[in-house]
Amino acid sequence: DTGVSQDPRHKITKRGQNVTFRCDPISEHNRLYWYRQTLGQGPEFLTYFQNEAQLEKSRLLSDRFSAERPKGSFSTLEIQRTEQGDSAMYLCASSLSGAQGEQYFGPGTRLTVT
Amino acid sequence: DAKTTQPPSMDCAEGRAANLPCNHSTISGNEYVYWYRQIHSQGPQYIIHGLKNNETNEMASLIITEDRKSSTLILPHATLRDTAVYYCIVRGGNAGGTSYGKLTFGQGTILTVHP
Repeated sequence: DTGVSQDPRHKITKRGQNVTFRCDPISEHNRLYWYRQTLGQGPEFLTYFQNEAQLEKSRLLSDRFSAERPKGSFSTLEIQRTEQGDSAMYLCASSLSGAQGEQYFGPGTRLTVT
Repeated sequence: DAKTTQPPSMDCAEGRAANLPCNHSTISGNEYVYWYRQIHSQGPQYIIHGLKNNETNEMASLIITEDRKSSTLILPHATLRDTAVYYCIVRGGNAGGTSYGKLTFGQGTILTVHP
């Protein structure tokens, strides 16, 4: 069990640029979640997948955000036309799909938009 | 919105038990209580969860009141490495429930363990 991994760990970009983050879940986990965390706040849910199907999206996920999990394994989160307000830690988690499946979190990608 | 209320901060002496309270007065019958913690600059870490019975694992114990409106996470022998933000989360247990997948985090309790 290698845990959930995220890449990159840090990203600095200029306003208006597009960025893409990758998450590799624990291999046998069929659920994958994305959260966003700003300084001093708890993580906020963005979206989640069961296998390759995106089952729920938060209203926080504006049209500039898109997430994919094409083969039910790794996932990508893309932000288009970044804004300074997008600066945050982006966390990925995975779990089994049972009713009590604990979510295991990755280390996060810290995005800074200048 | 988070369905739980926690004190913003607590202190504990190293080696002593840390008892972290959580109120969840609107919890439904099929909702579980989960605890996660987040050490600075890391992703949240699962600790324990329960429905109505008390639970214990290698990390902590969870005591849930009989009316299920509150619970307490107990770290029996706190160490400096237990300094973290602790989140109490109520989460649905039915596959079709709207709260089934996601975790809704509140502000949590900042636990500081001091020597």
